Amino acid sequence: NAGVTQTPKFQVLKTGQSMTLQCAQDMNHEYMSWYRQDPGMGLRLIHYSVGAGITDQGEVPNGYNVSRSTTEDFPLRLLSAAPSQTSVYFCASRPDRRGNQPQHFGDGTRLSIL
Amino acid sequence: KNEVEQSPQNLTAQEGEFITINCSYSVGISALHWLQQHPGGGIVSLFMLSSGKKKHGRLIATINIQEKHSSLHITASHPRDSAVYICAATFTGNQFYFGTGTSLTVIP
Repeated sequence: NAGVTQTPKFQVLKTGQSMTLQCAQDMNHEYMSWYRQDPGMGLRLIHYSVGAGITDQGEVPNGYNVSRSTTEDFPLRLLSAAPSQTSVYFCASRPDRRGNQPQHFGDGTRLSIL
Repeated sequence: KNEVEQSPQNLTAQEGEFITINCSYSVGISALHWLQQHPGGGIVSLFMLSSGKKKHGRLIATINIQEKHSSLHITASHPRDSAVYICAATFTGNQFYFGTGTSLTVIP
């Protein structure tokens, strides 16, 4: 059982480039989300999805796009990378939208924008 | 406003010491979560609780709903416990709000 799988683990981009961070889960979870982790700050929610075809913005959505065409996959797209998007990105999933259940996290993607 | 605060920010302990990490939150919650993040690694859920106390091995988590406060205790600490411990709370909107983490180093 792989859980939540994120790729790539590391990526370096130049300002203005675009890329997609991949996230897949094999637990049939309805709820998936993307967070960014920056030094001195708690994890912040970028976008989330409560099921296939349904997405919504979190606390820091600007500069990011998501889609959820299947239950398993929830890719995060950077449209035009900026140095402020240098961060560690985590994908997470849980069975449904209720907050009183644990989240399962991927191993993270460390992204540097030059 | 949904806020979660942790203390201390950094903690160094000798192997075998009893460790306490604190978490306070601003308003009523639906659940309080403790997470562990090893250097360069992913994040693992340790506990989820809404009342009372939970124990897993040498780890104990407690919560006091009236005081809006939770603690994570580690008994007989070991160098392998070195990690960042994160407190998170879910409020009525079901989103997770995270503390900034406590970086724990246990010295042999």
